[in-house]
Amino acid sequence: GEQVEQLPSILRVQEGSSASINCSYEDSASNYFPWYKQEPGENPKLIIDIRSNMERKQIQELIVLLDKKAKRFSLHITDTQPGDSAMYFCAASSTGGNNKLTFGQGTVLSVIP
Amino acid sequence: GPKVLQIPSHQIIDMGQMVTLNCDPVSNHLYFYWYKQILGQQMEFLVNFYNGKVMEKSKLFKDQFSVERPDGSYFTLKIQPTALEDSAVYFCASSWGGDSDYTFGSGTRLLVI
Repeated sequence: GEQVEQLPSILRVQEGSSASINCSYEDSASNYFPWYKQEPGENPKLIIDIRSNMERKQIQELIVLLDKKAKRFSLHITDTQPGDSAMYFCAASSTGGNNKLTFGQGTVLSVIP
Repeated sequence: GPKVLQIPSHQIIDMGQMVTLNCDPVSNHLYFYWYKQILGQQMEFLVNFYNGKVMEKSKLFKDQFSVERPDGSYFTLKIQPTALEDSAVYFCASSWGGDSDYTFGSGTRLLVI
């Protein structure tokens, strides 16, 4: 089955700087790549996603990049704020795979004021 | 936005007893999922369900686990009997289609003692 690797596991950045989280996947059939933000004790919330027909997508300060050839995708948070501090998970799924999400191991992002 | 409701939010149960986790998915969603999250780790797929049937289950979905959604009521995950290693947060999710993004519930925190 699909395996998703996510790095780094811990990321500390200064407020106002950029944060980048990288994920890789194995199954070339994967075609949907969502990113979730999870605060302590809360459920994961979708913040941005990208499908395989795109290479780049931006929503405000969030940018996701997808390199299908390398089977890598990444999340970039520009101009980080303390409210961005949380756990972030990448995931991958295949529409031919019963829409099952395989999650990365998570990144704990701390934005230092 | 539309929400997935999970009942109860917390459950403490003696090892060996049965527990039922209840999920009320988004009303027009057709696909339902259960994920298991151990503290500090990623969510792991357990099972998905469509049109009254299990579509796929992972190796985490032990023989003691079962799911059903009788007559459009709650989508339930039953564990009988429970084991200590079943302690985790269980997230229910639903999606409209087999290639659409999820809505996650707030989770049920299960503690088996």
